Amino acid sequence: DQQVKQNSPSLSVQEGRISILNCDYTNSMFDYFLWYKKYPAEGPTFLISISSIKDKNEDGRFTVFLNKSAKHLSLHIVPSQPGDSAVYFCAASVGGSYNNNDMRFGAGTRLTVKP
Amino acid sequence: NAGVTQTPKFQVLKTGQSMTLQCAQDMNHNSMYWYRQDPGMGLRLIYYSASEGTTDKGEVPNGYNVSRLNKREFSLRLESAAPSQTSVYFCAAGDSLYEQYFGPGTRLTVT
Repeated sequence: DQQVKQNSPSLSVQEGRISILNCDYTNSMFDYFLWYKKYPAEGPTFLISISSIKDKNEDGRFTVFLNKSAKHLSLHIVPSQPGDSAVYFCAASVGGSYNNNDMRFGAGTRLTVKP
Repeated sequence: NAGVTQTPKFQVLKTGQSMTLQCAQDMNHNSMYWYRQDPGMGLRLIYYSASEGTTDKGEVPNGYNVSRLNKREFSLRLESAAPSQTSVYFCAAGDSLYEQYFGPGTRLTVT
């Protein structure tokens, strides 16, 4: 039972354009959402997060949007750079940002940014 | 400052063999975690330790045991490896979701 789904295994965009990565979830109890980025042969690294009390959070080129009614979140990268090429994981948790024990991850989307 | 280190990086086991994956952190976090990642699936939590001396089951604990040896080290043991345990294993340390630091992973193949 995958509670967090990333339906696009891969995405390819041109350098300088916008990358939009999508994530859907089924558990309405999730109240904290995160995006992780993973390069080959490395562990995931935290990118950006959002609490369910917000619908948008921005950090530089990265913006996460949350649509609670649709149980959907998305990550926008503008402008995309070749160094952004990586696998992006969406994750969700119940109990706020300090509950590490029940985080659920999506399967990941491989982003390729072409020069 | 190495962050989170894992050994070994790669391992091949035969069915029924045992092994221990080692993890160490130098960031002084109380909480440590073991995840597995399988193709087409996200990371799944195997076990976690909220503090030295405590361990708890995560989403997929069957077939594994853990030891929180001290604040720095958290090991994962496979007593009798099975092909279904072929996976990439990640150790992490951190006391909040946005401050969870992952090691580079151990790629385990069980034949």
